[in-house]
Amino acid sequence: DAKTTQPPSMDCAEGRAANLPCNHSTISGNEYVYWYRQIHSQGPQYIIHGLKNNETNEMASLIITEDRKSSTLILPHATLRDTAVYYCIAPSNTGKLIFGQGTTLQVKP
Amino acid sequence: DAGVIQSPRHEVTEMGQEVTLRCKPISGHDYLFWYRQTMMRGLELLIYFNNNVPIDDSGMPEDRFSAKMPNASFSNLKIQPSEPRDSAVYFCASSGVKFGTEAFFGQGTRLTVV
Repeated sequence: DAKTTQPPSMDCAEGRAANLPCNHSTISGNEYVYWYRQIHSQGPQYIIHGLKNNETNEMASLIITEDRKSSTLILPHATLRDTAVYYCIAPSNTGKLIFGQGTTLQVKP
Repeated sequence: DAGVIQSPRHEVTEMGQEVTLRCKPISGHDYLFWYRQTMMRGLELLIYFNNNVPIDDSGMPEDRFSAKMPNASFSNLKIQPSEPRDSAVYFCASSGVKFGTEAFFGQGTRLTVV
């Protein structure tokens, strides 16, 4: 798995965009970038993934730099329910999913 | 589909007893993962299976831990004998037939060993 680096914590005001960065400078050409989040005491939940192009779904947008060494998860209008730990993962083609420490996002009213 | 189903949701047992955690993956998924989560160590991958075959068990902490997947619809994780330091939340997850699909997690089993 490509090693990923995320800030340990971030704050965001309710209603504002939350931009969560992730560095994955050792990612190889065929490794996807995945984002999951874990709300307190629940199992991790898939958010979005991408390879080269930017991606958007009903939950979030994923911006991947052209050199693929970093990415940003964007929650366009954060709510209190988005308070969670966010994990950025770049699994190898073996299918193995390794979670790091993630970023704890605190959305404040 | 009801998602990944884990049982029991909570388990309290005495040190030295055998503990069995169970998981039913989503139908059609061919990867199954077992994780352990504690405050100190975060979310650790213990073992994962592909098409019912264990692929990597390097995360299994000790010989006291074992996991099996006898068929595509069931897996169990056993701890024998259990110890207080095994207290954690254990998650099972499954993912689809093609690598690149997202993993779905169960609600977890909270294990307390006293």
